[in-house]
Amino acid sequence: SAVISQKPSRDICQRGTSLTIQCQVDSQVTMMFWYRQQPGQSLTLIATANQGSEATYESGFVIDKFPISRPNLTFSTLTVSNMSPEDSSIYLCSVELGRDAQDTQYFGPGTRLTVL
Amino acid sequence: GDSVTQMEGPVTLSEEAFLTINCTYTATGYPSLFWYVQYPGEGLQLLLKATKADDKGSNKGFEATYRKETTSFHLEKGSVQVSDSAVYFCALSSYNFNKFYFGSGTKLNVKP
Repeated sequence: SAVISQKPSRDICQRGTSLTIQCQVDSQVTMMFWYRQQPGQSLTLIATANQGSEATYESGFVIDKFPISRPNLTFSTLTVSNMSPEDSSIYLCSVELGRDAQDTQYFGPGTRLTVL
Repeated sequence: GDSVTQMEGPVTLSEEAFLTINCTYTATGYPSLFWYVQYPGEGLQLLLKATKADDKGSNKGFEATYRKETTSFHLEKGSVQVSDSAVYFCALSSYNFNKFYFGSGTKLNVKP
């Protein structure tokens, strides 16, 4: 498995501002993922972030709203830009430990964002 | 496309009751199947997994068997505890291995 940490663990932000969420992994991984979990809902994939390439965004998510960085094999950031109350969610990063791990994803503890 | 359907909650049980949470899937190829658990205020934790037909995943008294003939991966536990109260997500890793598909989640409440 992997130990994954996220910062901040929670935040309350004002409408129109931006927040950057950090995800740190204790081992080198190729694939990192960012998910959104709206209150009482399941997980929705925002984007896949591979080191050394642009993130791949899912339908309904755009880079201008959710820019992602992946500077190395252990770290990634997700920025939620120009926030509105509809962005209030839990944001989770996850990693895939490779085919030998049979495609298992491991999740960070999440960042709980409230937008006022 | 690939998808996962799981029973709606909440499920409310008394301590020591038997638990079943149903999960069925639609997939091309041969997906891997997973159950994740989310305790209140926390992220998702991998509970168990199975990678091929007839495999049984087990952990912490929970079990699930990969049934290809019925495209199911039902979660079971013989005797639940209050500490099992959480939201349980069924998921599959598709043949296109970059994609994970999650069910809607089933909230379990266990009363003493």
